[in-house]
Amino acid sequence: AQSVSQHNHHVILSEAASLELGCNYSYGGTVNLFWYVQYPGQHLQLLLKYFSGDPLVKGIKGFEAEFIKSKFSFNLRKPSVQWSDTAEYFCASTNFGNEKLTFGTGTRLTIIP
Amino acid sequence: EAGVVQSPRYKIIEKKQPVAFWCNPISGHNTLYWYLQNLGQGPELLIRYENEEAVDDSQLPKDRFSAERLKGVDSTLKIQPAELGDSAVYLCASSLEAGTGETQYFGPGTRLLVL
Repeated sequence: AQSVSQHNHHVILSEAASLELGCNYSYGGTVNLFWYVQYPGQHLQLLLKYFSGDPLVKGIKGFEAEFIKSKFSFNLRKPSVQWSDTAEYFCASTNFGNEKLTFGTGTRLTIIP
Repeated sequence: EAGVVQSPRYKIIEKKQPVAFWCNPISGHNTLYWYLQNLGQGPELLIRYENEEAVDDSQLPKDRFSAERLKGVDSTLKIQPAELGDSAVYLCASSLEAGTGETQYFGPGTRLLVL
């Protein structure tokens, strides 16, 4: 069964710091990868997704993620975080022929003004 | 465009009582999902519908959980009887079509507390 690992459970950064959240997936075949964000009191919403093509994916609010197949990774990055980026971030995957979205355990990001 | 609607937003019940959650997906979305999210965990799929057909219910505990999507639009998830361990957030999501690259749009969830 496929699995997604997020090793950073809680990250605390100051405003303007650079961000990288780790995500590793287990499936060795064709995968689709997603980052979802949940702001306090709001529902899960899509930040970005990788389906095929350019492994560097740009999403909303200045976020980007890079698919590195050799490392089974899809890390989320942002060069300069803002207080409003405080949220929980979930990495997720589906694999070819299986629409089931498998989520990681999430990373709670706290930005200090 | 209206998003995925869920009700109620919060529910507190005593164990052994029944409970039901309702979801209305985004208009025109054929695929509907129910997820369970425990505290400190990511969502886990319970059941997936394509129109009115449940195409993946392998993770649904069928002894106490049931779901329906009779007309292929809104859906109800039921627990009978509820147990203490069912306390969690129940999320509904929808997508335009089924497919591994399709974006799933989530509702706000129903937070269930079983006492």
